[in-house]
Amino acid sequence: GQQVMQIPQYQHVQEGEDFTTYCNSSTTLSNIQWYKQRPGGHPVFLIQLVKSGEVKKQKRLTFQFGEAKKNSSLHITATQTTDVGTYFCAGLANYGQNFVFGPGTRLSVLP
Amino acid sequence: GAGVSQSPRYKVAKRGQDVALRCDPISGHVSLFWYQQALGQGPEFLTYFQNEAQLDKSGLPSDRFFAERPEGSVSTLKIQRTQQEDSAVYLCASSLGVGPENTEAFFGQGTRLTVV
Repeated sequence: GQQVMQIPQYQHVQEGEDFTTYCNSSTTLSNIQWYKQRPGGHPVFLIQLVKSGEVKKQKRLTFQFGEAKKNSSLHITATQTTDVGTYFCAGLANYGQNFVFGPGTRLSVLP
Repeated sequence: GAGVSQSPRYKVAKRGQDVALRCDPISGHVSLFWYQQALGQGPEFLTYFQNEAQLDKSGLPSDRFFAERPEGSVSTLKIQRTQQEDSAVYLCASSLGVGPENTEAFFGQGTRLTVV
C-alpha cells in the first residue's frame, strides 16, 4: 500500500535558524497537505498543493510539491519559538479517497 | 458548531471492556474520517464516511472496531473487548466535501484511550 515517509524525525534549531522537512511518497500523489500539531494538540491544516512543481508561501513558510508529485518539502525561514510542534505531510494517491499521513518531523526551537 | 467536537476527551477502560467514542463534525461537512494516533506517530487512517455511507474501512485493525454515522452527521467509533494495544488517541476529522478542492480536514481534540 501507499507509504509516506518524512525526514528528519526530529530537528532542534536555535531561534532564527532555518528549518526544512522533507516528505516522500511511495506512489504518485494527486495532492498533498501539510499539518502542524502543537504538543498536546490536534493537527491543524496549513496548506494543500495540487500542481506538479507548485510552490506556495505563507509568511515565513514555503511549501513545494515535486515535479513528479511524489515528494514535497516545507521550509521555515528564521524560526520562532511559536513554530515548535510536529509537522505532518499527508498525501492523497491518484484514485485514492483518504490521505495517508507521514510520521511527522518534530521541531524544537531553542530561544 | 464552531469546530469538530469529540467526547469523551479521556477514557480509561479495563481490558475486555467495550468503549464508544463520539464525534460531532462541523455542520454541513460531508466527509468524516477516524484516525488512530499512537504516541510520537502520525495519524493512522481507520475509516471514512461520505454522509452516512462508510466508503472505506480498510484501516480498521480488527473486527473489534466498528464505526457508524447513521444520519450523516454524528459518528461513533466503537471498540469491543478492548486490548492494551488499543491505547492511543483517536482523532476525528471532517471536511466540507469530496474531491481535491474541498479536502481541508478539520480535526477534533481527540479522545485519549488508555486500556489498563
